[in-house]
Amino acid sequence: GAVVSQHPSRVICKSGTSVKIECRSLDFQATTMFWYRQFPKKSLMLMATSNEGSKATYEQGVEKDKFLINHASLTLSTLTVTSAHPEDSSFYICSASNSRGDEKLFFGSGTQLSVL
Amino acid sequence: GENVEQHPSTLSVQEGDSAVIKCTYSDSASNYFPWYKQELGKRPQLIIDIRSNVGEKKDQRIAVTLNKTAKHFSLHITETQPEDSAVYFCAEGDNQGGKLIFGQGTELSVKP
Repeated sequence: GAVVSQHPSRVICKSGTSVKIECRSLDFQATTMFWYRQFPKKSLMLMATSNEGSKATYEQGVEKDKFLINHASLTLSTLTVTSAHPEDSSFYICSASNSRGDEKLFFGSGTQLSVL
Repeated sequence: GENVEQHPSTLSVQEGDSAVIKCTYSDSASNYFPWYKQELGKRPQLIIDIRSNVGEKKDQRIAVTLNKTAKHFSLHITETQPEDSAVYFCAEGDNQGGKLIFGQGTELSVKP
């Protein structure tokens, strides 16, 4: 199968600090990973597409300077929430395709961010 | 633009009954339609998917139907069990390397 690991699972931080979330594909190489945000009892909202070796593609309305994405290797993408504020509190979840061309997406376990 | 409408938002059924969740999409280029199940606080799990060259696909108690002309697809769960209780999301993709747009979700509750 295709395993995607996400870390940390939960983080609590003070307003103004930055938080880094890691997403790793454990048993396959992922040239593309996706970052989603999910509010309680709501759908998954695509934030950005992370491309290995190039700049991320952000969805409309998502601040690229606020949500920094780095995809430096074929197995790791990171999302950094800069200068976090309480409104950034949410469930962040990454996903990756196994690059076999069948478009199946596999999700990380998610990160619950709480900004005080 | 891309948009997926999912109904109903909540669905309650008795154990053993069938459950049907419907989605409509707007992008004519969409050709991949997966369904995910998400339990509280956990990651979405792919349960079944269908491509645009197929009208129906079945996997044990779960089936998905696709009507490309009408741009809608449905999830059918038969002989529901309490462990089927979760939030179900439909999604659509258009061959953009895995990029999916999700529906709003359906909270399914199966009562014993």
